Amino acid sequence: DIQMTQSPSTLSASVGDRVTISCRASQSISGWLAWYQQKPGKAPKLLIYKTSSLESGVPSRFSGSGSGTDFTLTISSLQPDDFATYFCQQYHSDSTFGQGTKVEIK
Amino acid sequence: QLHLQESGPGLVKPSETLSLTCTVSGVSVNSGSYYWGWIRQPPGKGLEWIGTVYYTGSTYYNSSLKSRVTISVDTSKNQYSLNLKSVTAADTAVYYCARRALMGEFEYWGQGTLVTVSS
Repeated sequence: DIQMTQSPSTLSASVGDRVTISCRASQSISGWLAWYQQKPGKAPKLLIYKTSSLESGVPSRFSGSGSGTDFTLTISSLQPDDFATYFCQQYHSDSTFGQGTKVEIK
Repeated sequence: QLHLQESGPGLVKPSETLSLTCTVSGVSVNSGSYYWGWIRQPPGKGLEWIGTVYYTGSTYYNSSLKSRVTISVDTSKNQYSLNLKSVTAADTAVYYCARRALMGEFEYWGQGTLVTVSS
């Protein structure tokens, strides 16, 4: 089974900051990676799929990059609505999620 | 408008079977353009993929749960279901149903339902 490791587990940032979250797979996943945002008490929301494709309706301040085993979610200028938990998901072989990164107010 | 709604008991006794149904509206589960999945999240923890079903009835399960899980689809009711047998307290979680794109990302989720395993 493919394991997904996110870092950091928690990130403290301010509005306007550039934020980067990392996700590492235990083996190559050929770019089959998605990112989700989850707010307390709500279902996850798809942000990015296939490493860097932005889901319809998602603000352009969100972007994804990476290849092989290492992937990154970047928020170019953090907005108040972006304080949430973010998960990565690989779907190269079945499906596995990372453990999550909580973005909190500094 | 697409809507997924989970339903089922919120409390299940240890060793019994957890049964949930996802009712889909706004799109047919018969559509060959999607898969239909179940994902769970223990309180305060991360997401765990449980399994996925295609309209043909083909299923794909998490290897760690495979011996206890059955997912099925009922195209006549536009629903699909999850059965998880021999549950323990470790199965306590919010259970989500979600539509999965052909490539594999979960593009639309239900609101989730909390299932507690306790006597």
